[in-house]
Parts: sequence; structure tokens; C-alpha cells
Amino acid sequence: AQSVAQPEDQVNVAEGNPLTVKCTYSVSGNPYLFWYVQYPNRGLQFLLKYITGDNLVKGSYGFEAEFNKSQTSFHLKKPSALVSDSALYFCAVRDIGTGGFKTIFGAGTRLFVKA
Amino acid sequence: GAGVSQSPSNKVTEKGKDVELRCDPISGHTALYWYRQSLGQGLEFLIYFQGNSAPDKSGLPSDRFSAERTGGSVSTLTIQRTQQEDSAVYLCASSWGTRASTDTQYFGPGTRLTVL
Repeated sequence: AQSVAQPEDQVNVAEGNPLTVKCTYSVSGNPYLFWYVQYPNRGLQFLLKYITGDNLVKGSYGFEAEFNKSQTSFHLKKPSALVSDSALYFCAVRDIGTGGFKTIFGAGTRLFVKA
Repeated sequence: GAGVSQSPSNKVTEKGKDVELRCDPISGHTALYWYRQSLGQGLEFLIYFQGNSAPDKSGLPSDRFSAERTGGSVSTLTIQRTQQEDSAVYLCASSWGTRASTDTQYFGPGTRLTVL
């Protein structure tokens, strides 16, 4: 069965510093991986996805994620954090076994960026 | 272009009552998904619809939960005889449905359900 883990409940970073939000996955077959962000009282917004190709995927709002097959990781990164990046971040993997429509989400990591 | 819309945005009900939650997907999207997000928890898959295919109901937590999608567009999630543990934010998402494994899902703002 597909699964995804976000080992950190919360990440704290100072504004202007680089940030990393961790995600590891377990899949059978090729991994299709996604990152979403949820701002307070709002739905999830798509940030980026890895399907194939370059291991470094660039997405919205200056975020990027690095796919590492040997470590089964898909960490979200940003070179310089903004206070407005403070939100809840979800990593997700597509469950290919069910035809690909079912998405398994991690528990989420809350990011706090301090001014 | 309108995004995914959900109504109501908030619903407070009494234990034992039935509730209906509505989702309007993005026009042209053939795939529609329902998720549940409990306080402090991640997203829990409930059900998805793809075109005219039979829906995948594998995530529905009990037979009190049901969903339908009329005309391949609007969907309604119904919870019968609500319980306090049903309190959560119910999120709907839609996607083009052309390539299941790589489709990006677009989420609505959610319906916050509180069962007293």
C-alpha cells in the first residue's frame, strides 16, 4: 500500500532563512508525489508535483522540491522564507493501485516563519 | 474561471440529524473527490467519482455516509444520523480526469461541520 510520512509536526524558521519541510514515501511502482499548502480557513492549494524527469521540481511561490529515489524522499524547500509562507503543508502520493485517483496525504507539517 | 465551490461554508447541526454538503467542481472536470479533515489531522479520503464509472466508496467511514454526483457535475455528500465524531472540515476537489495518476486536484474551501 502507498503511504507518505511527514516526520515533523512543526517547523520553525526565521524570515530570510532557507526552509525545508520533510516528506518520505512508500510506493510500489513509480511514485507520483505532490505538495499542497493550506492557509488558515482556506482549502488546499497545489504547489508542485513530481511525475518524472528532473529530480528538482519548481513550483508556486518560489517553492521547490527534490525527489530522491534512493532515500524515498520528496522534501519541500525554499531558499528564503517569508512570514507569509506560514501555513500547513501536506505531502501526498497518488495510489496507483486504485487506478491513480486515490491520493494519500501525510498528516501535515505546520510551518511558522518568524519575522 | 471559477474554482471549486462548496456550500454551506459552515454547518452546525444537532446529533442525530441528517446533513447535506454540496460541491460544484470546476467546469469540465470529470473527476471529483471528497475528503475529510478532522481537527489536527491530515486529509482522509472518502470517495471519488470519475465520469460515468462506478464511484470508489472505499473511504466512506460508515453506511451513514453516502454521496452522489448528478449529471457528472455537482456532487452531494450526505451524512445521516450525525454523530459528534463527524465534526470536521469536508473538502471537495476536482480534476480533469484525463490521466488519473498525474492529475492535479483543485480543492474547494471546505465545509466546516459541527455536530453538537
